[in-house]
Amino acid sequence: DAGVIQSPRHEVTEMGQEVTLRCKPISGHDYLFWYRQTMMRGLELLIYFNNNVPIDDSGMPEDRFSAKMPNASFSTLKIQPSEPRDSAVYFCASQRGLRAVGELFFGEGSRLTVL
Amino acid sequence: GQQVMQIPQYQHVQEGEDFTTYCNSSTTLSNIQWYKQRPGGHPVFLIQLVKSGEVKKQKRLTFQFGEAKKNSSLHITATQTTDVGTYFCAGRDLGRLYFGRGTQLTVWP
Repeated sequence: DAGVIQSPRHEVTEMGQEVTLRCKPISGHDYLFWYRQTMMRGLELLIYFNNNVPIDDSGMPEDRFSAKMPNASFSTLKIQPSEPRDSAVYFCASQRGLRAVGELFFGEGSRLTVL
Repeated sequence: GQQVMQIPQYQHVQEGEDFTTYCNSSTTLSNIQWYKQRPGGHPVFLIQLVKSGEVKKQKRLTFQFGEAKKNSSLHITATQTTDVGTYFCAGRDLGRLYFGRGTQLTVWP
């Protein structure tokens, strides 16, 4: 299996620009998570989906952030407009089921720098 | 709200010394997971503990889940340079997984 695939791996953009991060979960996994990692705040859960439906988006910082999952094999996290404080590594992770036993498989992350 | 606290934040050890990181939750957890993140990498699942008082071993790594299911620890015996990285605990409560801040381990040769 190819694992969770994220793109781009690195993104440098200027404040005010739109940023779109992409994720392809592992085939057959029905849960998808978006995390943000910074030195200050550690790993933060932004949003997660079950069977393509957003279940909990309480971690999304503000209206500038939006996430979609149009089908089982693709999700996007969009920031519009971007700000320097959005600079972080954004991880996508997928999981098969949300039972007592369930490990998260993380992608390699998208490192975002907003100037 | 739910919080998972992890200590210490940093640990520097000489190769061959032991290492322990501790995780505490403000609420009872249904299970706890441990992940390792190498520098520049992504978190990788190590293990999951489900039962009260559970102890699991993976070679030099020993994982424990407290009797009250509110705390956990990871102990590494005789550290090696390959153990370098950040170790995260993640507690599951009502379906959500809450990550601790992690313990960054440095091993000096």
